[in-house]
Amino acid sequence: DGGITQSPKYLFRKEGQNVTLSCEQNLNHDAMYWYRQDPGQGLRLIYYSQIVNDFQKGDIAEGYSVSREKKESFPLTVTSAQKNPTAFYLCASSKGGLNLYEQYFGPGTRLTVT
Amino acid sequence: EDKVVQSPLSLVVHEGDTVTLNCSYEVTNFRSLLWYKQEKKAPTFLFMLTSSGIEKKSGRLSSILDKKELFSILNITATQTGDSAVYLCAVKVGIQGAQKLVFGQGTRLTINP
Repeated sequence: DGGITQSPKYLFRKEGQNVTLSCEQNLNHDAMYWYRQDPGQGLRLIYYSQIVNDFQKGDIAEGYSVSREKKESFPLTVTSAQKNPTAFYLCASSKGGLNLYEQYFGPGTRLTVT
Repeated sequence: EDKVVQSPLSLVVHEGDTVTLNCSYEVTNFRSLLWYKQEKKAPTFLFMLTSSGIEKKSGRLSSILDKKELFSILNITATQTGDSAVYLCAVKVGIQGAQKLVFGQGTRLTINP
């Protein structure tokens, strides 16, 4: 089955700890994205990557880091520098290239930091 | 700064009604506009619009884009309780090699039986 997987579904961490969220896709998509969603708000872009070994900051990159060592994988690390990390995190991928490809979303990870 | 604004933020109607959801945008390097439906977790893709005036249709849902006035609408006719969801509008912006989606806040649609 082709798709995007995110793990874990729910994650609990203590304040001050770094945590890494997993995102894997077997759609052979070039581009991958991380979004954050807070209650009553739309999705906000954290980081995105158009090709392997390259990524760009989105609108709210502070306190987050990513890597793109393989085409299939785009892990997101929420660092202790992120002031308000509790949120729903969504990973997405698309064929990339010039235009005209919609993004497909994974099931999301709900992170709670106390 | 790129901006996408949806209205209304929340809408409650009765089953069988027709609804119109709005999305306006102010962005640089517009590529396309997309609509997603989000029920519990991951948004699912509905439509992608790139040309003005051409209606896209899927069953009871339809959408159209006006690139001159910078907005899009999503229509749902004969609504059903299964249409209850958050509807997200997103605009794809950027140039080759650096494209991204900018999302609106979403419209929470509730269909009462």
